[in-house]
Amino acid sequence: QVQLQESGPGLVKPSQTLSLTCTVSGGSISSGSYYWSWIRQPAGKGLEWIGRIYTSGSTNYNPSLKSRVTISVDTSKNQFSLKLSSVTAADTAVYYCARGAALYDYWGQGTLVTVSS
Amino acid sequence: EIVLTQSPGTLSLSPGERATLSCRASQSVSSSYLAWYQQKPGQAPRLLIYGASSRATGIPDRFSGSGSGTDFTLTISRLEPEDFAVYYCQQYGSSHGGFTFGPGTKVDIK
Repeated sequence: QVQLQESGPGLVKPSQTLSLTCTVSGGSISSGSYYWSWIRQPAGKGLEWIGRIYTSGSTNYNPSLKSRVTISVDTSKNQFSLKLSSVTAADTAVYYCARGAALYDYWGQGTLVTVSS
Repeated sequence: EIVLTQSPGTLSLSPGERATLSCRASQSVSSSYLAWYQQKPGQAPRLLIYGASSRATGIPDRFSGSGSGTDFTLTISRLEPEDFAVYYCQQYGSSHGGFTFGPGTKVDIK
């Protein structure tokens, strides 16, 4: 059973960089032809796709966030990561990592990141 | 960017009743790349339907999806207590503008 777990700071100051890591267990991140994705959800609102990475390192990002987003993968640690720069209060959300290119069958539990000084 | 609209915003029903949820796209969703997810409070979304009408692994057959082009429907034939949740549709046919989600329909207990 594949499991994903997000980790990282729960509080980030405005203009700084949000950094999160997703650790995959129950299987190798590089086995199978899977993409690994980040999705976020502001409190009480809907879901927003952030971007995805293939284990080769190939990435795709939401055009609305592309200038600020970097997703990377570390296959030796079975992890992939998200960096979102120049954050504002509008980036406050629950951030989920998930398995899939565009359909997500396994999700992390989500981690709340608050942007505030 | 494909914009998805869901209706109604909230659906108040009793257990055992039939639920019909609508998802409309601003432009045609290619190859019926339309999915439905269920989300309960404090939990991650769960994939229910993909390809507009295929049930994901382990999803009960009371959940069914239909539609094509710009109009899609999720039907829950007989609501069970555990089905009261928020349901999101998602298009994944075009990454231009992102794989967008609808705003959600909340199914709550009448």
